[in-house]
Amino acid sequence: AQSVAQPEDQVNVAEGNPLTVKCTYSVSGNPYLFWYVQYPNRGLQFLLKYITGDNLVKGSYGFEAEFNKSQTSFHLKKPSALVSDSALYFCAVRGYSGNTPLVFGKGTRLSVIA
Amino acid sequence: AAGVIQSPRHLIKEKRETATLKCYPIPRHDTVYWYQQGPGQDPQFLISFYEKMQSDKGSIPDRFSAQQFSDYHSELNMSSLELGDSALYFCASSLRTTGEGSNQPQHFGDGTRLSIL
Repeated sequence: AQSVAQPEDQVNVAEGNPLTVKCTYSVSGNPYLFWYVQYPNRGLQFLLKYITGDNLVKGSYGFEAEFNKSQTSFHLKKPSALVSDSALYFCAVRGYSGNTPLVFGKGTRLSVIA
Repeated sequence: AAGVIQSPRHLIKEKRETATLKCYPIPRHDTVYWYQQGPGQDPQFLISFYEKMQSDKGSIPDRFSAQQFSDYHSELNMSSLELGDSALYFCASSLRTTGEGSNQPQHFGDGTRLSIL
């Protein structure tokens, strides 16, 4: 079975500082990994994905994620946090075949403080 | 760009009533997924459809059913509603890929917030 874990329920960072939201995965075979962001009363917005290729994936709104196979991690990063980045972030994994559903982590609430 | 449209945005029902949630996928997307997100929880997969056929089934209660229509929109029908069904219900759509892997992201609607009194 595939799963992802987000070890931190809450991450606080000062505006302008770099941010990291952690995610580790457990899959059989090649991982297909995603990050989504959720603002209050809104759906999940796709940020970025890792399928294959470069370990550093660049996504929307200046976010990037680093795939590390040896550590089975896919941490979300941003060099300089904005107050508007404050939201709930979900890491997700899906299977190889067809359009299998996403399996989400528990989510990490990011608070960027001015 | 067009997004996934869900209706209604909010729905209030009483126990044992029925509810129907609707989802209109992004144009040309052929796969629809339904997820349930309880308060403070991560989204849990319910069911998905590809080309009007059920594709995958997750933790969908027997009281719930869903279908995808010829125009690709989907409806989630919920009967004998219980207090525990209060949640945010998301629909997502994607374009099915062929060949290597599942590399198309799912795009989510803003959800229907269902409250059971």
